[in-house]
Amino acid sequence: NAGVTQTPKFRILKIGQSMTLQCTQDMNHNYMYWYRQDPGMGLKLIYYSVGAGITDKGEVPNGYNVSRSTTEDFPLRLELAAPSQTSVYFCALYAASGGGKQFFGPGTRLTVL
Amino acid sequence: QKEVEQDPGPLSVPEGAIVSLNCTYSNSAFQYFMWYRQYSRKGPELLMYTYSSGNKEDGRFTAQVDKSSKYISLFIRDSQPSDSATYLCAMSGTNTDKLIFGTGTRLQVFP
Repeated sequence: NAGVTQTPKFRILKIGQSMTLQCTQDMNHNYMYWYRQDPGMGLKLIYYSVGAGITDKGEVPNGYNVSRSTTEDFPLRLELAAPSQTSVYFCALYAASGGGKQFFGPGTRLTVL
Repeated sequence: QKEVEQDPGPLSVPEGAIVSLNCTYSNSAFQYFMWYRQYSRKGPELLMYTYSSGNKEDGRFTAQVDKSSKYISLFIRDSQPSDSATYLCAMSGTNTDKLIFGTGTRLQVFP
């Protein structure tokens, strides 16, 4: 998965609990992304970062927070989990060479009950 | 209207068939076009990447872009059961770091 590690692979949360989804890369890329994927809905961008200390909202940021203190790590935080956040979450990197391509991690499958 | 439209399928074909997967889009500024393959419970992997109009071939896979019609296609020749996956189209404009994805087409190739 192009040097992108995501943990955990699976998680079940109760409504109102919080958790952090981890994303780590070893390729020294500046641009990193968090997407969620719901059945039949494609990939929706939650947050992205263009470098350490810089983050910005994507299409569906509500209910999530991110930080980027290092180039390697881009954690996604859920503060008050809701059933609507049941989804598969993917972290991705952007490689600018060759016109720009995104490479995805293996995903975290989250269920909120 | 969504920026990118993709038939969700599922598309079920026999082994050896030629498969055609398609996306239409509305934003004429898109100029980079990608196809990702996603196996069940895995992350999307980049399969084909093209710039502007034209064809690109890689083994059994051919990506075709028609910017005048705002239409892109992925053809799979001699389809195999191992091609069974969801195929997502994606595209970007001059800001190549921002991708817009289709919803994906689920393909099943049966022996």
